[in-house]
Amino acid sequence: DVHLTQSPSVLSASVGDRVTITCRASEDTSNYLAWYQQKPGKAPALLIYSASTLQSGVPSRFSGSGFGTEFTLTITSLQPEDFGTYYCQQVNNYPLTFGGGTKVEIK
Amino acid sequence: QVQLQESGPGLVRPSETLSLTCTVSGGSINKFYWSWIRQSPGKGLEYIGHIYYTGPTNYASSLRGRATISVDTSKNQVSLKLTSVTAADTAVYFCARLITGQHRNDYWGPGTLVTVSS
Repeated sequence: DVHLTQSPSVLSASVGDRVTITCRASEDTSNYLAWYQQKPGKAPALLIYSASTLQSGVPSRFSGSGFGTEFTLTITSLQPEDFGTYYCQQVNNYPLTFGGGTKVEIK
Repeated sequence: QVQLQESGPGLVRPSETLSLTCTVSGGSINKFYWSWIRQSPGKGLEYIGHIYYTGPTNYASSLRGRATISVDTSKNQVSLKLTSVTAADTAVYFCARLITGQHRNDYWGPGTLVTVSS
């Protein structure tokens, strides 16, 4: 199975900061990578797919990049509502797998 | 708008079978893949598997042999059965639609908590 490693596992930042989360895959996943945001007690919500395509309705401060084994999710100006846990998911190889998550806390 | 709703017993005894149903409304189950994903308390997301509306399935390696996903197109439902459960199977179980081609799980149910305990 493809193993995804996210870093950092916890991130504390201030409103307005630029935030970057990294997802590394144990093997090539092309651009078949998605990012999700999860708030406590809620289902995950799709943010980005195909590594860099913004899901409809997601604010433009979110962006994704990468190809192959290294991917990044960037929030250009962190907002209070962006707290939560972010997960990457590879959808290139079966079975599909998720990264361990990055918890974003607002200072 | 597509909506998904998981349902099933909230408590299952150890060694028994966990059975959940995901009812899809606001859209057809046809022409899509459907995923089951779970999250143990305080932990990350674990992909269980998925099914195409015509029947082909794929499962996580760790659950292969215990998990079975099926689809009932007449009821617009997807089901999950997990046999021989232990406390480690205690989790919130989510169903989600899986778009292939431009791969992603775009619609999710709210999830249902299943506790395995005697």
